[in-house]
This record gives sequence, C-alpha cells and structure tokens, in this order.
Amino acid sequence: EAGVVQSPRYKIIEKKQPVAFWCNPISGHNTLYWYRQNLGQGPELLIRYENEEAVDDSQLPKDRFSAERLKGVDSTLKIQPAELGDSAVYLCASSPRGARGYTFGSGTRLTVV
Amino acid sequence: QQQVKQSPQSLIVQKGGISIINCAYENTAFDYFPWYQQFPGKGPALLIAIRPDVSEKKEGRFTISFNKSAKQFSLHIMDSQPGDSATYFCAASMAPAGANNLFFGTGTRLTVIP
Repeated sequence: EAGVVQSPRYKIIEKKQPVAFWCNPISGHNTLYWYRQNLGQGPELLIRYENEEAVDDSQLPKDRFSAERLKGVDSTLKIQPAELGDSAVYLCASSPRGARGYTFGSGTRLTVV
Repeated sequence: QQQVKQSPQSLIVQKGGISIINCAYENTAFDYFPWYQQFPGKGPALLIAIRPDVSEKKEGRFTISFNKSAKQFSLHIMDSQPGDSATYFCAASMAPAGANNLFFGTGTRLTVIP
C-alpha cells in the first residue's frame, strides 16, 4: 500500500512569492490533515478535511493561506504571498474516518529567503 | 499555549539501556495519547498509543505508562538500540464527533550510543 505522498520534497522561494504543496492521501482515507512543523518543534494543525469539506480551519492563517481538496482525494495547500516566518516543514496526513491514529507523509520543506 | 509538555529535549543513552521520555497535559478531555517517532527527512510515524482507561501498554521494547490522576504519561524504550535514534513526540487528542486533532509535544531527540 502506498503511503501518503507529498510533493515537492523541497522548495526554496523568495519572500512575497506564491507557493503550493500537493498531497495524495492513502486510498480510502476520508480524513486529511495539513500540519506545519517548525524547526525543533512538534507539528501543529493547520486544517482538517472530511472528504472534500474543511471541517476545522481555525488555525489556518486565512489572509495568506488557502487549501482545497477537490473530489475528496488529493489536496493542495497554498501560501500567497510567502513570508520569512513561513519557513517550515508542511506535513500532510490521512486516516480512515473515525480512526484515531493517522499516517503522515514525508513533508515538504519550505525555505523562504 | 502548549497543550502537551514534553521532556527532556534531548537524551543520550548507551546501547542496551532504558530510554524514558515524559509528557504532561492539562486538558482532561484528551482521551487518546499516541507516541510518534520521526527520523530526519521523514514524517512522524505512529509508534504506540494508549487510552486513559489503562495504566500501561507494551508493544515489544516500547511501553507507555499512563497516570491519569497526575495527567502524565511516559514512553519507555527497553534495550535501546542505535536504530532507535530519532526524535520522539508525544501527542494527545480528543474525539467528540471525530475531531481527533492531535496536539504534539515539542519532541525529544534520542541518541543511542553503540
């Protein structure tokens, strides 16, 4: 079974530029999460989807961040414009509906210069 | 506000020794307490988890001890091996209506010396 696939693995951009991250969850997993992990810290939730509906986006900085999960499968997280403080690893995770543990992808490491 | 507090920040253990990582929480609504293991360049991977109705759970060399009254839980790694060298995160979640958002500790970097 393929795991959670994320791309790109690394991205370096200049501040004020836009950037997008893509996630393909495990087949059949209804729930999808985006987390941000700052250097030396634990992951922090940005947004949670149940199928195509964003059911918890309370921690998403909506002035510059947006996300979508079309057809309830793949998801894209976008930042526009990026700021220096957005440098972090962006992790996608998925789980079957109602499952407590979930599977993370390897993440996208974003560096904003 | 950090929902889950984790210590120590780093830990060095000799091969064959016991590694112990501690976590504490405040929110009594948490009802699921997993530990994740993360290697460099990889995402966190679920290692072991416990619910508050049991005081201990063991899977191979990994054991979670849970103290509900003290709102503390810990991970014990017996017979630590160099391959266990990684960052370990405790976490907690609550699940009314399937919310299940994980709140992570700040992580412990474990180094096992051969």
